Amino acid sequence: ETGVTQTPRHLVMGMTNKKSLKCEQHLGHNAMYWYKQSAKKPLELMFVYNFKEQTENNSVPSRFSPECPNSSHLFLHLHTLQPEDSALYLCASSRGQGNSPLHFGNGTRLTVT
Amino acid sequence: DQQVKQNSPSLSVQEGRISILNCDYTNSMFDYFLWYKKYPAEGPTFLISISSIKDKNEDGRFTVFLNKSAKHLSLHIVPSQPGDSAVYFCAASGGGGFGNEKLTFGTGTRLTIIP
Repeated sequence: ETGVTQTPRHLVMGMTNKKSLKCEQHLGHNAMYWYKQSAKKPLELMFVYNFKEQTENNSVPSRFSPECPNSSHLFLHLHTLQPEDSALYLCASSRGQGNSPLHFGNGTRLTVT
Repeated sequence: DQQVKQNSPSLSVQEGRISILNCDYTNSMFDYFLWYKKYPAEGPTFLISISSIKDKNEDGRFTVFLNKSAKHLSLHIVPSQPGDSAVYFCAASGGGGFGNEKLTFGTGTRLTIIP
């Protein structure tokens, strides 16, 4: 069982919908991340939270809105997405103390129609 | 500008032989390097890492080599097993300050082990 749980596993939404992706980590980590994986491209960092504070926004469009209410939970709120936003969205966590690996969830496969 | 490059999109190796996956990086601030393995419909799983103060790290069948002067690292799997068939991602971090463990990933190499 993965220590990082993402829901839903699959999501289909229209361009005018609003939806949220959820991530929960059970590893006692202090840092959480959102990554995007599109076909034929490397994983792209979207957001970083360290001790619930956003420490990085990697030039992500405002139609993606992250929320980190505590060190164990991370959300990605989606609204008015475009078809090119269809991708695998991966959540990860780490100790946040330097030089330790990220642990990933199994991702949410998002399709925007 | 891709800072971590995996130039081989795919690799096929006979079962029992050695698999060698390669990775190059351009950012000299990177000081921590990792390999991840990914099966379809699952997230990447951490495999092995190496700090820039070392040039080799070994864990069972997996060994990672780091050549800082060449900005090159490689993952050796020996002997290769059918369960090793997956996509392997090279990743690097560093230079982002204390507590910043964000990773920059390569595009991955699909390894197929032939029984």
